Amino acid sequence: GQSLEQPSEVTAVEGAIVQINCTYQTSGFYGLSWYQQHDGGAPTFLSYNALDGLEETGRFSSFLSRSDSYGYLLLQELQMKDSASYFCAVRPTGNKLTFGGGTRVLVKP
Amino acid sequence: DTEVTQTPKHLVMGMTNKKSLKCEQHMGHRAMYWYKQKAKKPPELMFVYSYEKLSINESVPSRFSPECPNSSLLNLHLHALQPEDSALYLCASSESRQKAFFGQGTRLTVV
Repeated sequence: GQSLEQPSEVTAVEGAIVQINCTYQTSGFYGLSWYQQHDGGAPTFLSYNALDGLEETGRFSSFLSRSDSYGYLLLQELQMKDSASYFCAVRPTGNKLTFGGGTRVLVKP
Repeated sequence: DTEVTQTPKHLVMGMTNKKSLKCEQHMGHRAMYWYKQKAKKPPELMFVYSYEKLSINESVPSRFSPECPNSSLLNLHLHALQPEDSALYLCASSESRQKAFFGQGTRLTVV
């Protein structure tokens, strides 16, 4: 089986930086992804790491260390619209996509 | 077209009813997924279709029956559901391991 651990909630102010950590245990590994989901909305893809290192996409960056079974999502220059749930997800096999418990990010003015 | 379209958006059904959820994508993706999501919980994988064949069934009760009529369509047939099956049902598709596209979901209430 697989398990993914991430903090349940993070609160920050506009303009701040937030880091959401994700540790995972999985029998196979085909990459770590991050998804954003606003209340009442669909999960939307943010980032994917298959190899160690940092991937940067605008204000969002994602990092992976396969040796530590660890990754994080970095949200910079926080905006009110970033208030949402953020999920890390692994592919233990090529077709399977399994989500962590999710981190609820609340951005305050 | 980078959309996954799900119908209906909302569904209320009795425990003796039979209903179907529909999902459509025209991105040429060969993998399609059904997820169940309860409030404040992560999406929970139910089924995966790869090249129109069922490749993963996460021990889902038989009252949920998936069907993939062609490469663009995915159905979920519902029969004799229980109130605890009330949830948001999400369909997704992907071509690569990098990115999955999700539909807006069907919010199902079983009464």
